[in-house]
Order: sequence, then structure tokens, then C-alpha cells
Amino acid sequence: AQKVTQAQTEISVVEKEDVTLDCVYETRDTTYYLFWYKQPPSGELVFLIRRNSFDEQNEISGRYSWNFQKSTSSFNFTITASQVVDSAVYFCALDIQGAQKLVFGQGTRLTINP
Amino acid sequence: GAVVSQHPSWVICKSGTSVKIECRSLDFQATTMFWYRQFPKQSLMLMATSNEGSKATYEQGVEKDKFLINHASLTLSTLTVTSAHPEDSSFYICSVGTSGAGLSYEQYFGPGTRLTVT
Repeated sequence: AQKVTQAQTEISVVEKEDVTLDCVYETRDTTYYLFWYKQPPSGELVFLIRRNSFDEQNEISGRYSWNFQKSTSSFNFTITASQVVDSAVYFCALDIQGAQKLVFGQGTRLTINP
Repeated sequence: GAVVSQHPSWVICKSGTSVKIECRSLDFQATTMFWYRQFPKQSLMLMATSNEGSKATYEQGVEKDKFLINHASLTLSTLTVTSAHPEDSSFYICSVGTSGAGLSYEQYFGPGTRLTVT
């Protein structure tokens, strides 16, 4: 069975702090994709990153970075120097073999306080 | 990337009536679209896969007679909630997957439709 676990339901930090959102996934397949999406209060999902199972390189995009470790089945997301605009619910998702059917984690509600 | 729109963005209907939600892929011909449902403060759950020109594939536990899906063209899929009840009140989101060469693809979501059944 495929499963995504985001153990942190809610995180609250003060602006400019770094924050890491955890994501642990379960699958027996060797080919899969992992995603992170941001859902602001408006509700629209914003695509942040996609990573396939054969690419374990970490990625940095501005203040965002992702750490993919197959050994621990984790795909964690770090925001450095957080800003109030980063406040949103963040979802980690898993897609098996490119079937395009996403299994979502429970989401982490991130609040950045000024 | 693909631009996906949904209409309406929100709708209120009375219990027992039916409501149709449209999902359009504006710049990509989508043979497959997906419908998700999200209850307040919960995660997204896949309801069904909409296939252009054929029947939709429903996930376990989703009533196909209640949630009618039609994918008549490569740019439009519709979800009709029939005989809606208050428990159907939710945020409905569609998505389009775009396939590139090899293992690369993206998935884009519409802005969602908030349905409230009174």
C-alpha cells in the first residue's frame, strides 16, 4: 500500500526562522514520484517540486530546499528565513509509476508570525 | 505548464438538487483528468479518474451514480453531484497530468470549487 505521512499537523514560527516540514512515504514500487504543494487560504494548490525515485539529489530553489533520502523514505522540505507569505498548508504527495494519481499526506499547516 | 480552470468557484445548492462542476484544461489536451475532494482541514482524496471518450474510473468507496463524470473533449471534464446532501459539502479540485519524455511529468491543479449543500 502507498502512504504518505506528515507527522507535523501544525507548525508556528517567527518570521526569519528556518523551518523544516517532514514527509515520510511508503511504497513497494521502485519507480515513483514525490511532490510538494502549497495551499494558501485561497485553496488553490501551488506546485513546488517534483522528484522521481531515481534522482536523490537535493534541490535548492531560493529559500526553499528539499532533502530526499530513499534510505529513510523521507522527502523533507525546508524553508530558510521564513516570511509571513509562506503561511499556508503544505502537502507532500506520492505518485506510483507515473500513474498521475496522487496520494496526499495529511498536510502541515505552517504559520509564520511577524 | 498547464493552466487549469474550474467553474464555478463556489456554489450553494439545496439538498436534493444536482450541481455540475466544470474543469477545463486551457492550454493542454488532457486525455486524463482527476477529481479530488477535500473536506475542511483535511487532505485531498482522489475520487475518480476522468478518461476522455470513455467511462471514468472511481476509487473505492466513491459512488459512481452519485458523482457523475463526463470527459467529452480533451479540454473539458465535468463532475455532477446528483441529489446533493449536506454531507457532500466539500472542496472539489480537478487536476491535469502532463507527460513529457521519459520519466518527466508535471501535475497541475485547478483552483477548486467549494460546494455547500443546505
